[in-house]
Amino acid sequence: QKEVEQNSGPLSVPEGAIASLNCTYSDRGSQSFFWYRQYSGKSPELIMSIYSNGDKEDGRFTAQLNKASQYVSLLIRDSQPSDSATYLCAVTGAGSYQLTFGKGTKLSVIP
Amino acid sequence: DAGVTQSPTHLIKTRGQHVTLRCSPISGHKSVSWYQQVLGQGPQFIFQYYEKEERGRGNFPDRFSARQFPNYSSELNVNALLLGDSALYLCASSLAPGRAYDYGYTFGSGTRLTVV
Repeated sequence: QKEVEQNSGPLSVPEGAIASLNCTYSDRGSQSFFWYRQYSGKSPELIMSIYSNGDKEDGRFTAQLNKASQYVSLLIRDSQPSDSATYLCAVTGAGSYQLTFGKGTKLSVIP
Repeated sequence: DAGVTQSPTHLIKTRGQHVTLRCSPISGHKSVSWYQQVLGQGPQFIFQYYEKEERGRGNFPDRFSARQFPNYSSELNVNALLLGDSALYLCASSLAPGRAYDYGYTFGSGTRLTVV
């Protein structure tokens, strides 16, 4: 059973702070890793994708991947109230294109 | 450009009934996947279609079926509805299954199904 684990939160951070979201996965053969943002009542929206060990930066967002530790993280710098949402970690396995999602971490950015 | 279009947006059905959900992918995308999202959980994979062929099936009962048409749109059918089928049903499209590695999947706004 392939699993993706996330802390459900809620994670509360003050406006302007760095929010750190974490995700672990069980399938060592996992190949692609994604972070989706989902506002309440809306559909998931892709924020970042990462495939290689290390960091990948896009604006205020940085995804970090450590395949040896089976760990993916998302850092949000200068957090804004509009970043308040549920963040879903998703993984594709070896030879599979289906996404396996975690339960999501709810982030609240306090003004 | 139009994104992924799903219809209807909301639906209320009675236990035992049948439902058909529809999805039109982004223009040029040939792969469509269906996911079920129960409140408080992450989306769970149901089916993936590419070039009208089933390329993957999740751990769902045979009451769930799907198909893809020549124009790459797709239908998800659920028979003998149960209360537990109440969920947000999401359609996701990509250029091709493998291209998800590059661009990820784009989700539609979903169909909210309530079974009473």
